[in-house]
Amino acid sequence: GESVGLHLPTLSVQEGDNSIINCAYSNSASDYFIWYKQESGKGPQFIIDIRSNMDKRQGQRVTVLLNKTVKHLSLQIAATQPGDSAVYFCAEIPFGGATNKLIFGTGTLLAVQP
Amino acid sequence: NAGVTQTPKFQVLKTGQSMTLQCAQDMNHEYMSWYRQDPGMGLRLIHYSVGAGITDQGEVPNGYNVSRSTTEDFPLRLLSAAPSQTSVYFCASSYSHRFQTDTQYFGPGTRLTVL
Repeated sequence: GESVGLHLPTLSVQEGDNSIINCAYSNSASDYFIWYKQESGKGPQFIIDIRSNMDKRQGQRVTVLLNKTVKHLSLQIAATQPGDSAVYFCAEIPFGGATNKLIFGTGTLLAVQP
Repeated sequence: NAGVTQTPKFQVLKTGQSMTLQCAQDMNHEYMSWYRQDPGMGLRLIHYSVGAGITDQGEVPNGYNVSRSTTEDFPLRLLSAAPSQTSVYFCASSYSHRFQTDTQYFGPGTRLTVL
């Protein structure tokens, strides 16, 4: 919802530019990571995932990069569109954990300027 | 399929009142969960269920009760609402919980204000 965007770091980009959203995860033992997109007034939506045995994974217009050395995850969106405006947050699951062990980040607000 | 549905969309309560947030899914998913989302914080798990008749506590269960009498429905009950329960509540479901790759589908949320 609208209140989710408050208190969040904001990334403002021009339509057509590439966006890079960063996430520092907390647990060095985490072995599965997910990026979610949350549009205003809606629930989170799965975008892309990556396992810890990979350092890069590509989807349609999106790429996730994983740097386990510094516990850093990034989401790259190519040719950003107005419909990409949303809050993006990462989530991690510790090694051996299941869905009930998901740890969510606080999110970044992506604002696409026309 | 309607996916995950939640009612109501908005609710205002007075301190001490009780209410039930409804959640239903029509995907025959085994796993269902409730999260709360507060400004500046990540989603936090309240309760979850791995199947009909089975529920368990998440990270922040105090003040909330759940039940799972059918596969489709997973209501969340606030027995005596407190201002600290002002939040946006999301229900989610997934085919199972056993595999990390079981994608969770989220409902549209219920925005609750407790005065």
